[in-house]
Amino acid sequence: QVTLRESGPALVKPTQTLTLTCTFSGFSLRTSGMCVSWVRQPPGKALEWLAVIDWDDDKYYSTSLKTRLTISKGTSKNQVVLTMTNMDPVDTAIYYCARIRDYHFDYWGRGTLVTVSS
Amino acid sequence: NFMLTQPHSVSESPGKTVTISCTRSSGSIVSNYVQWYQQRPGSSPTIVIYEDKQRPSGVPDRFSGSIDSSSNSASLTISRLKTEDEADYYCQSYDISSWVFGGGTKLTVL
Repeated sequence: QVTLRESGPALVKPTQTLTLTCTFSGFSLRTSGMCVSWVRQPPGKALEWLAVIDWDDDKYYSTSLKTRLTISKGTSKNQVVLTMTNMDPVDTAIYYCARIRDYHFDYWGRGTLVTVSS
Repeated sequence: NFMLTQPHSVSESPGKTVTISCTRSSGSIVSNYVQWYQQRPGSSPTIVIYEDKQRPSGVPDRFSGSIDSSSNSASLTISRLKTEDEADYYCQSYDISSWVFGGGTKLTVL
């Protein structure tokens, strides 16, 4: 049974760095073809892809946000970490982690709401 | 990068059929598979169609996907509509290490 769970601060101040952790189970990120991704969704708006890390530790980022994002494997083998620098109120969103197989998102976490406010 | 454009909203009555389109702005729609996700209010997205027309196990056969190269678009068709189908639907594709979502379509079943 594949599960993913996001964790991190619910509130960050403008200019701060956000760090989110995705803890997953039911699969291994060491398996060829496996990827974990982050997607966000501002309140009432559309899904926006942010970043992906694959089984081979290759990393891919949204063109518009790549200067602010870093995705990495966590210290635990079943974790993926996303950092986003210089947070702004427009970054207020639900942040989801999801598994990618064959270029599509087949399992999603419940998401975590991050609010950026002073 | 390309964009995927969807209608903002569609509505139809229970028992009817509705089709949601997803048009690719540049590059060919057949170059990379298209997926469709359903997102009910307050819930995470779930996949209903992958690889243009494949249904994951558990998704009813009322859901179908297709590709039209002439209009460079993909479509999600839901037949025999039920009130539980009321949700937001997103198309998604991929190109050169970049994953793209459409803007989403709100389906109202009234």
